[in-house]
Amino acid sequence: QSVLSQPPSVSGAPGQRVTISCTGGSSNTGAGYDVHWYQQFPGRVPKLLIYGNNNRPSGVPDRFSGSKSGTSASLAITGLQAEDEAEYYCQSYDTNLSGYVVFGGGTKLTVL
Amino acid sequence: QVELYQGGALVLQHSETLSLTCALLGGSFSGQQWSWIRQPPGQGLEWIAEINHSGFTNENPSLKGRLTISIDTSKHQFSLKLTSVTAADTAVYYCARQFCSTTSCFFYMDVWGQGTTVTVSS
Repeated sequence: QSVLSQPPSVSGAPGQRVTISCTGGSSNTGAGYDVHWYQQFPGRVPKLLIYGNNNRPSGVPDRFSGSKSGTSASLAITGLQAEDEAEYYCQSYDTNLSGYVVFGGGTKLTVL
Repeated sequence: QVELYQGGALVLQHSETLSLTCALLGGSFSGQQWSWIRQPPGQGLEWIAEINHSGFTNENPSLKGRLTISIDTSKHQFSLKLTSVTAADTAVYYCARQFCSTTSCFFYMDVWGQGTTVTVSS
């Protein structure tokens, strides 16, 4: 059971907009800690997609955007492309015990 | 350009100790945090531990007591030891940089190693 909750799967047709939610609690996202997002293709290394809730590293297309409000965050992908089909993970920090990095369980995006 | 290099795949027996090393190529340990993350087959990512250039560490509570994480700045590498492994420790293990600016450290991983597949057989 992941500390951050994500839907197991989402899907959309090419060109559409999809969103992936990430819900935490009072000890992590609700405590003001940023949410970050990673994209992972099968058998590949995770890649940082969004950091600090809504910032894109250099080279990430502006079709990808992030937002955060309260205990929840979202990753939005507009103009969906077949190459976006991947697993997406959210990540934050939790203050329970001595504090530690936490991930969501991942969301499989299928492009129809 | 910062790169992280990990060794090849490992096969361990139940109750053995897992030892992994991550080498930093380019860049400096100074001012940054360095993490280990793992991913069991077909499952999600799990953060294991972090260490900074001074040797300060933090660990996932679920693995505390079995973990040792260390850094050798002279050799440009940091390491992970996990004792008493079981089949549940079978995973791809990644090392990563946890980014720090000149003023603050953040909790996201911006540079990743290529991963090491670890298989524990019973």
